Amino acid sequence: RKEVEQDPGPFNVPEGATVAFNCTYSNSASQSFFWYRQDCRKEPKLLMSVYSSGNEDGRFTAQLNRASQYISLLIRDSKLSDSATYLCVVNAYNFGNEKLTFGTGTRLTIIP
Amino acid sequence: GAGVSQSPRYKVTKRGQDVALRCDPISGHVSLYWYRQALGQGPEFLTYFNYEAQQDKSGLPNDRFSAERPEGSISTLTIQRTEQRDSAMYRCASSLGGGANTGELFFGEGSRLTVL
Repeated sequence: RKEVEQDPGPFNVPEGATVAFNCTYSNSASQSFFWYRQDCRKEPKLLMSVYSSGNEDGRFTAQLNRASQYISLLIRDSKLSDSATYLCVVNAYNFGNEKLTFGTGTRLTIIP
Repeated sequence: GAGVSQSPRYKVTKRGQDVALRCDPISGHVSLYWYRQALGQGPEFLTYFNYEAQQDKSGLPNDRFSAERPEGSISTLTIQRTEQRDSAMYRCASSLGGGANTGELFFGEGSRLTVL
């Protein structure tokens, strides 16, 4: 089983709609969680951290369910500029070392 | 520099040759990471440094791959006796420190390696 699993999509969503996707992780000892965004042919960039209590940043809401070991990202009122690949990222904290493990990414296309 | 700088941006080499990929992190960043990204996949962890110390190399695929950061700044990822399966985008990232906890990694534009 992969450490971090995501539905690769693609998700094709009309402009203005709400879209949500999940990510599951296998290491129950994982400490921290993030969503990164990667535009086509570009480098990944941090979109937002995911806190235990859930958090919101404008149209974006991230939630964490430790019991079920999944993370979600909700995008409301989607814009054309939201078209990108969204990468779920987990801190696989292990014996004092730290590394971020990326999922495969979910590809989102917003349709005019 | 303003951002993470990687060179070369593109490298085409013949199978069996050695290649060296360079990463110049953001000035003052303590942590430096190497990832490999295949088309349609997420970045795959290779190795990670704090200052000059290689903290984790568990992601290096085999002993043909090595990395160093001798003075705690610029890093080099070396692939010996390249094989076609090594073809990928190699991405370097840096962070202030304790990067994994803050989650903010700053990636360079990557070095695309093609092995013929």
